Amino acid sequence: AQSVAQPEDQVNVAEGNPLTVKCTYSVSGNPYLFWYVQYPNRGLQFLLKYITGDNLVKGSYGFEAEFNKSQTSFHLKKPSALVSDSALYFCAVRDGNSGGYQKVTFGIGTKLQVIP
Amino acid sequence: DGGITQSPKYLFRKEGQNVTLSCEQNLNHDAMYWYRQDPGQGLRLIYYSQIVNDFQKGDIAEGYSVSREKKESFPLTVTSAQKNPTAFYLCASSISTPNTGELFFGEGSRLTVL
Repeated sequence: AQSVAQPEDQVNVAEGNPLTVKCTYSVSGNPYLFWYVQYPNRGLQFLLKYITGDNLVKGSYGFEAEFNKSQTSFHLKKPSALVSDSALYFCAVRDGNSGGYQKVTFGIGTKLQVIP
Repeated sequence: DGGITQSPKYLFRKEGQNVTLSCEQNLNHDAMYWYRQDPGQGLRLIYYSQIVNDFQKGDIAEGYSVSREKKESFPLTVTSAQKNPTAFYLCASSISTPNTGELFFGEGSRLTVL
């Protein structure tokens, strides 16, 4: 069974400092990895994804993520945090090796708080 | 603009009542999904549909029902058999093939049982 772990319930970072939100995954085949962001009482918005190719993926709003196969990790990063980045962040995985429908498994989310 | 529309945004229900949550998309996506979100539990899949007139149970389908009569629409009914229906419900869609596409989400519907 596939799974996603987001080990930190909350991450606090000062505005202007770099931020990292951690994600590790477990999947039997090749991983398709995704990051989403959710603002209060809103739906999730797609940030970026890794399917294949370069391990460093760039996405929306200046976010990027690094795929590390040996550590089965896909940490979300941003060089300089903004107060407006404060939100709930979800990592998700899908098994890319299997045919037909493969469900997406989400982590439980990490709340990012950027302090002015 | 293309997107997913969920309605109503807030809904209150008395115990024993069925309620239906609407989800409409104009993205021309074949696949549609319903998720339930509870604090500290992430998103859990209720039902999904890859094509019109076909749908499959997800991880927590008990007490819920869906239909997919049109490509654009995937309504979710929360029945009285659902023991703990108070939650935030999210509808999503994606391309079906290839399987690399991200999910597009609606703004959610918050259901409260009184």
